[in-house]
Amino acid sequence: EDKVVQSPLSLVVHEGDTVTLNCSYEVTNFRSLLWYKQEKKAPTFLFMLTSSGIEKKSGRLSSILDKKELFSILNITATQTGDSAVYLCAAALRGAGSYQLTFGKGTKLSVIP
Amino acid sequence: GAGVSQSPSNKVTEKGKDVELRCDPISGHTALYWYRQSLGQGLEFLIYFQGNSAPDKSGLPSDRFSAERTGGSVSTLTIQRTQQEDSAVYLCASSEAPGQGYEQYFGPGTRLTVT
Repeated sequence: EDKVVQSPLSLVVHEGDTVTLNCSYEVTNFRSLLWYKQEKKAPTFLFMLTSSGIEKKSGRLSSILDKKELFSILNITATQTGDSAVYLCAAALRGAGSYQLTFGKGTKLSVIP
Repeated sequence: GAGVSQSPSNKVTEKGKDVELRCDPISGHTALYWYRQSLGQGLEFLIYFQGNSAPDKSGLPSDRFSAERTGGSVSTLTIQRTQQEDSAVYLCASSEAPGQGYEQYFGPGTRLTVT
């Protein structure tokens, strides 16, 4: 059974802290690993990672994929209260002609002033 | 341009009734996905449409669930004889093409409550 596991499930930090969110996966027909930020309802896209060892950066956020060890991390530096959200990790699989996403349960990040 | 839109944003229905949820994908996106997010759970894949190809229905939890996509654009997810365990947020996503280089963009979801 395809599985994506995120840790920790929740995290509380102070503004300015750096956080690392973890995502491990065990899936068949792996294609890529995606990170989303979910504040209300709609997850918003952050990163898509396809190749091992290549860091993707966007402002204070960065992410990297290790296809040998089957995990990814999402780093957020100098956290702000606006970073408070649920961060979702998903593995994109090819199945029956589609590219469905298998999601982890998310990490709930709370940044306090 | 406009993002993925969904309607209604909230739906409360009685057990046993049928419901229809609507999704308008981003213009030009050929791939459309439905997901379900139950309380405390991750997003669960339901169904996928790509162009005129037969949909991938492998994620539908029971035969009470069905979906259509008319004219390659708008999609409707129908749940017949709703049960309380159907209560969840139903999210729709679209992407440019069903390839690994094209991320999925999500709509705001429909929160379904079955009483």
